[in-house]
Amino acid sequence: NAGVTQTPKFRVLKTGQSMTLLCAQDMNHEYMYWYRQDPGMGLRLIHYSVGEGTTAKGEVPDGYNVSRLKKQNFLLGLESAAPSQTSVYFCASWLRALNSPLHFGNGTRLTVT
Amino acid sequence: LAKTTQPISMDSYEGQEVNITCSHNNIATNDYITWYQQFPSQGPRFIIQGYKTKVTNEVASLFIPADRKSSTLSLPRVSLSDTAVYYCLVGDVDNFNKFYFGSGTKLNVKP
Repeated sequence: NAGVTQTPKFRVLKTGQSMTLLCAQDMNHEYMYWYRQDPGMGLRLIHYSVGEGTTAKGEVPDGYNVSRLKKQNFLLGLESAAPSQTSVYFCASWLRALNSPLHFGNGTRLTVT
Repeated sequence: LAKTTQPISMDSYEGQEVNITCSHNNIATNDYITWYQQFPSQGPRFIIQGYKTKVTNEVASLFIPADRKSSTLSLPRVSLSDTAVYYCLVGDVDNFNKFYFGSGTKLNVKP
């Protein structure tokens, strides 16, 4: 099993450009999440999804959109990138149960110039 | 969700036992306590989860006092490879679906 796969691994954007980050999981998990992590800081929840076709806002949703058209995929979109969105983005999935861990991808490092 | 407070950083030496404490004064009756570990350039990974008293697995122990307002992650005989950030999360199955991470505790293990 691949677990949680994020693409791309690295990306450089210019201010105002758009892009989509893809997260794919092969564990049949209902719940999926997008986080951002800035240097020296913890993870902040951007958006999450509790199932196919559903999404919800987290702590820092402004400037991002998400879609969950298929259970295995969770897409994070930046419509007009800003330098403040320079960060490392992590996707995670979860099987809703006690002692069930979050499974994280390896992250996408995004730089907006 | 219960707010958690952890020390920003801790130092230790190889071979020592390390205890990281998390404060969660507003913990609710149904809340569980979960700890994650994060290495640089990687996503966090699950370490341990508990509700009360003591939980032990192959990598760590979790101590929770009777009032559950704090918890302590204990790492026995740390090595350099335990240098990482450790996060404490509090919630129940119904609100774990939001999984808010705080700033965590940066553990530096020295030789």
